[in-house]
Amino acid sequence: QITLKESGPMLIKPTQTLTLTCTFSGFALSTKREGVGWIRQPPGKALEWLAFIYWDDEIHYSPSLKSRLTITKDTSEKQVVLIMTNMDPVDTATYYCGHRRAAASGAFFEYWGQGTLVTVSS
Amino acid sequence: AIQLTQSPSSLSASVGDRVTITCRASQGINRALAWYQQKPGKAPKVLIYDASSLQSGVPSRFSGSGSGTDFTLIISSLQPEDFVTYYCQHYDSYPLTFGGGTKVEIK
Repeated sequence: QITLKESGPMLIKPTQTLTLTCTFSGFALSTKREGVGWIRQPPGKALEWLAFIYWDDEIHYSPSLKSRLTITKDTSEKQVVLIMTNMDPVDTATYYCGHRRAAASGAFFEYWGQGTLVTVSS
Repeated sequence: AIQLTQSPSSLSASVGDRVTITCRASQGINRALAWYQQKPGKAPKVLIYDASSLQSGVPSRFSGSGSGTDFTLIISSLQPEDFVTYYCQHYDSYPLTFGGGTKVEIK
């Protein structure tokens, strides 16, 4: 059974750096084409893709946020970490991690974490 | 980046109605499109992938079609639990993008 769970601060101040952790189980993130991505959703708004990391450390970022994002994985700890610098109130959102199965035809997310709401406010 | 335009952004319908939601891509994406359903306060759930393949466990009243730039999600007979929000997502290339969402409301 595949599960993912996001963790991190619920409240962060403007200009600070956000570190979110996605802890997963049911897969190893070591199979060809398998990957984990991050997606966010501001309150009442649409989903926005942020970053993706594959089993072989191939990484992709949203162009609009690329300068502020870093995604890494630790397969021994079964975690994927997203770092976002210089946080602003407009970054207030629920942040989700999602899993792409190795057998999937592309990078869509069959499994999602429950999401974690991050509020940026002084 | 490929833009996805969903329409309508919201619609009102009744239980038992047939509903059609469209997703238009700014350039061709072959059939690399997924549809998600999102209930309030919950993570999205994939309904359709590869434009028309039904995800395991999803009721057969959901169907998808299209290729290239124009895609459609059809709910053949709306059930009470279907009055929520739907998103499309392409995965033809990076960056991935989502549509703006369609909220299905009770008439």
